Amino acid sequence: GESVGLHLPTLSVQEGDNSIINCAYSNSASDYFIWYKQESGKGPQFIIDIRSNMDKRQGQRVTVLLNKTVKHLSLQIAATQPGDSAVYFCAEINNAGNMLTFGGGTRLMVKP
Amino acid sequence: KAGVTQTPRYLIKTRGQQVTLSCSPISGHRSVSWYQQTPGQGLQFLFEYFSETQRNKGNFPGRFSGRQFSNSRSEMNVSTLELGDSALYLCASSDLRAGSYNEQFFGPGTRLTVL
Repeated sequence: GESVGLHLPTLSVQEGDNSIINCAYSNSASDYFIWYKQESGKGPQFIIDIRSNMDKRQGQRVTVLLNKTVKHLSLQIAATQPGDSAVYFCAEINNAGNMLTFGGGTRLMVKP
Repeated sequence: KAGVTQTPRYLIKTRGQQVTLSCSPISGHRSVSWYQQTPGQGLQFLFEYFSETQRNKGNFPGRFSGRQFSNSRSEMNVSTLELGDSALYLCASSDLRAGSYNEQFFGPGTRLTVL
């Protein structure tokens, strides 16, 4: 595929189960954190974001949790579906507001 | 609204050559950012352009350069290609508003292979 693939940690889940993908960030001054999904052959696609003054945000089937104490971000996907299979990246926004730095990514594989 | 488009989608070059990649942002978006994605390094920021000016730059050598035109279309150029430049090059555009976070929309990327 077109995404980072050869050296990624992989999470394998059964269809219908919940998935939790974790990410550690480095810049405590980051204002925003974002989760992206990248399917094979495509560019990253925005899933959900969270501002640094929040610790939880929910979307449709997805929840992002932010723990600023340990600089940890997680993405929870409820009732995981085969279409959720992809590489997931976390990203942080710098103080200028437009530069993204990305974690290495996690490959999610959903077994039917 | 059409998404971000990148051309070409695939490119094969040899060491020492140069290459130019093109990106057309979403209509109305004036900020364009470029990223390099490799298996070893993940996604890394190259540079960002806004109104034909480079506003931010990542930690890449001077062989990597870019520009933006008045219609917001952007090109990036890599000179004297090295094997390690083989990567997926992604372009992202955003509807920049001063003082706020702006979501970036990514194109499908250009896969560059250097032989």
